[in-house]
Amino acid sequence: AQSVTQLDSHVSVSEGTPVLLRCNYSSSYSPSLFWYVQHPNKGLQLLLKYTSAATLVKGINGFEAEFKKSETSFHLTKPSAHMSDAAEYFCVVSDRDSGGGADGLTFGKGTHLIIQP
Amino acid sequence: DADVTQTPRNRITKTGKRIMLECSQTKGHDRMYWYRQDPGLGLRLIYYSFDVKDINKGEISDGYSVSRQAQAKFSLSLESAIPNQTALYFCATSDLHTGTLTGELFFGEGSRLTVL
Repeated sequence: AQSVTQLDSHVSVSEGTPVLLRCNYSSSYSPSLFWYVQHPNKGLQLLLKYTSAATLVKGINGFEAEFKKSETSFHLTKPSAHMSDAAEYFCVVSDRDSGGGADGLTFGKGTHLIIQP
Repeated sequence: DADVTQTPRNRITKTGKRIMLECSQTKGHDRMYWYRQDPGLGLRLIYYSFDVKDINKGEISDGYSVSRQAQAKFSLSLESAIPNQTALYFCATSDLHTGTLTGELFFGEGSRLTVL
């Protein structure tokens, strides 16, 4: 069985300061990991993904995440927050070896990122 | 125009009414999904379809049904709506091959349903 825990339901940072959104996972197989972003009144959009290649993954809009197997973590970071980053962020895990496919995805509960001017 | 279009975007209905949410896509993807989003709970899979003749239950299918009318169309029905089905519903698609390997989904903008 797989699961994902987003450690913070809300994160507030000032514009121009670093962003850290934390995600821990558990998986019986070799996981694929994703971060999706949801802007207000919009659908989810893929931010970045890890699928067993490089452990440091770069995504859109300056975000990146590092896969740390020993810590079972996949934290999302950005060096300098922008007002447009205010959104809901979801960490997602997929057990590829258990059958794969987007039907095998498990979503975290989400982290609401607030950017203070 | 959006690649994945959901209608209606907002709907208020009463307990016991039948409701249909529709989804159409222009991405040419074989796989389509219906998710439900509740505050603080993330997204949960209701039903998914790998092609027109294939329908599968997801994590929370009770009280819902679906129809895959064509490759591009996938509708979600609530036969007799109840208040705890009040939620934001998302349709999503994925490519047969990349979806399997990467899990990337393409989402519509959501349908907000309120059941009184």
